[in-house]
Amino acid sequence: DTQMTQSPSSLSAAVGDRVTITCRASQSISNYLHWYQQKPGRAPKLLIYAASSLQSGVPSRFSGSGSGTHFTLTISSLQPEDFATYYCQQSYTAPRTFGQGTKVEIK
Amino acid sequence: EVQLLESGGGLIQPGGSLRLSCAASGFTFSSFAMSWVRQAPGKGLEWVSGIGARGISTYYAGSVKGRFTISRDNSKSTLYLQMNSLRADDRAVYYCARDPSRTGDGPFDRWGQGTVLTVSS
Repeated sequence: DTQMTQSPSSLSAAVGDRVTITCRASQSISNYLHWYQQKPGRAPKLLIYAASSLQSGVPSRFSGSGSGTHFTLTISSLQPEDFATYYCQQSYTAPRTFGQGTKVEIK
Repeated sequence: EVQLLESGGGLIQPGGSLRLSCAASGFTFSSFAMSWVRQAPGKGLEWVSGIGARGISTYYAGSVKGRFTISRDNSKSTLYLQMNSLRADDRAVYYCARDPSRTGDGPFDRWGQGTVLTVSS
């Protein structure tokens, strides 16, 4: 199985901060890497697909980059509604696997 | 509007069986791969199983292989997950999710609201 490792597991940030979350794959997954946001009690929401493509309707402050085994999700200016847990997920190999999540909390 | 509506969750004893359903609307169901993803209480997301658009190709996580069966009825726009030999660690919210690829190697661009499974005696 392809293991996905996110860092950090949690972070505290203030409104307006630039936030970067890293996701590493245990083997090359090309650009088959996607990012989701989940708020408590809600289903996940797709933010970024294919490593760097912004899902329709998602604010442009979200961006993704990377290929192979190293990927990043960046929020350029954190907004109050961005406090949530973020997951990466690979779709290059079966079984599909998610990272363990990164919880973004208010500083 | 795209909608995915899961049903069938509930309380079941260990060793029991249950079938989850996911009714899709607002899109051409037969053109999309689908998956089930679960989330245990306070834990992260775990992909459970996926199925191609035509229902021919199926995939399973190691934790459920041999116990769960994914299927779909494109004429009814419905996805299913038959769960047998349920264990306490199967307790979770189960989400169905749409994959815009036909082969199941895309992202999950739409999710249902989830159905809760509790396994307990």
